[in-house]
Amino acid sequence: DQQVKQNSPSLSVQEGRISILNCDYTNSMFDYFLWYKKYPAEGPTFLISISSIKDKNEDGRFTVFLNKSAKHLSLHIVPSQPGDSAVYFCAASLGNQFYFGTGTSLTVIP
Amino acid sequence: NAGVTQTPKFQVLKTGQSMTLQCAQDMNHNSMYWYRQDPGMGLRLIYYSASEGTTDKGEVPNGYNVSRLNKREFSLRLESAAPSQTSVYFCATRPLAGGPYEQYFGPGTRLTVT
Repeated sequence: DQQVKQNSPSLSVQEGRISILNCDYTNSMFDYFLWYKKYPAEGPTFLISISSIKDKNEDGRFTVFLNKSAKHLSLHIVPSQPGDSAVYFCAASLGNQFYFGTGTSLTVIP
Repeated sequence: NAGVTQTPKFQVLKTGQSMTLQCAQDMNHNSMYWYRQDPGMGLRLIYYSASEGTTDKGEVPNGYNVSRLNKREFSLRLESAAPSQTSVYFCATRPLAGGPYEQYFGPGTRLTVT
C-alpha cells in the first residue's frame, strides 16, 4: 500500500502566480520529508526538505509546509516561472529508506 | 566531478537474458540506492547499501541482486529478465544513511524487456 500519495497527477498555473503541490502520507514515523523536481530523461534533483519536528521551511521561491495532524505536506512556489515546469515528487524518509509519491506534473503557462 | 553516473543509458533485453546495471559516484557518499520508476507508480526502492559492505532489500527486490563493489560502485543485476522489469532504473547516493540528507540521482537507465 502506497505510504506517500500525490493525488493530483497534473497542475497548470499562470506565470507569476502561486503553484501549490500537495502530498499525503500514512506513516507517522517518517522523520524527514523532501521534494524533488524531475525533467524528462533526467534523474530527480533535490529541491527542499523539512524535518518532521518543523512545520515550515523556506528557500527562495520555494516553501514547504508540514501538517502532522493531517499527515499532509505541501510545496508552494511563488512566483511560478516557466522553468518550473517539471514533475514534482514528494518523498518521506524513515531511517535509510525513502518512499516516493507518484508525482505531479506542473505546467507553468507563460 | 561527474556526480552519479549510470551505464548503460538504454538497453533492450529478451526475456530470460541477464544483465548488470552499473552505478558509480565520485562524491564520497556512504549510502547508495537502486530505484525503478514505472508510469503512475513513482520511484520504488529495489535495494540499498547503507555503507560499503552492506546491502538491504527495499520495497521491490524480487528478481534482482546487488553488489556494493567498493565505496564508489553499486551494481544491480537481473539474472533472468522478465517483461515486468521493463522500467527506468535510477541509482542514487546519500552522504550518510539516516539524518537530514537528501539523495543525489543519476540520469537513469531505460530498460526494455521483450
